[in-house]
Amino acid sequence: GAGVSQSPRYKVAKRGQDVALRCDPISGHVSLFWYQQALGQGPEFLTYFQNEAQLDKSGLPSDRFFAERPEGSVSTLKIQRTQQEDSAVYLCASSLGREYYEQYFGPGTRLTVT
Amino acid sequence: KNEVEQSPQNLTAQEGEFITINCSYSVGISALHWLQQHPGGGIVSLFMLSSGKKKHGRLIATINIQEKHSSLHITASHPRDSAVYICAVRSKDTDKLIFGTGTRLQVFP
Repeated sequence: GAGVSQSPRYKVAKRGQDVALRCDPISGHVSLFWYQQALGQGPEFLTYFQNEAQLDKSGLPSDRFFAERPEGSVSTLKIQRTQQEDSAVYLCASSLGREYYEQYFGPGTRLTVT
Repeated sequence: KNEVEQSPQNLTAQEGEFITINCSYSVGISALHWLQQHPGGGIVSLFMLSSGKKKHGRLIATINIQEKHSSLHITASHPRDSAVYICAVRSKDTDKLIFGTGTRLQVFP
């Protein structure tokens, strides 16, 4: 069956541009997570949705980062006025629930800010 | 000090060797995950465990809750096992996944 998909896979943005990264979770998965993975590091938590509700956004590094999941399925991570330090792989994961369920990861979007 | 530490950071092996990757953590957890990440690819979940031992094919994962330590073993390693292996724990306090920095494994024929 279809796994988690993300688009675009690669994005190059000039400093100051806005970008939007899309995540299509596995159908029926209630929980959706966004992570940021800098080069050579492990992923770090950004934000969590349960259906359409954003229950935790404590990991978003600044108010330039915004995420939404308006209908409880597809999610978009938006970064405004991109900076070089935003360059990273952005991973999306979904699961049936938050606790005691495995998270299924998408392939990630590699963002390079020049 | 990182809350999740993995060792070694890099590992090279000859095909057929037995491989062990270690993970130590300092927080209270409800579960521990072992994940595999290929270059340019996404992350695949290998195991989720909260006690004891799990086996899947040539992969074995163990966890010792008292010692806050887990190991991932690969028996009869193969070049296609070359990847980054990441340990992640679900914090009991915050319910978030905390990731290690990964162990880069290269298996040569």
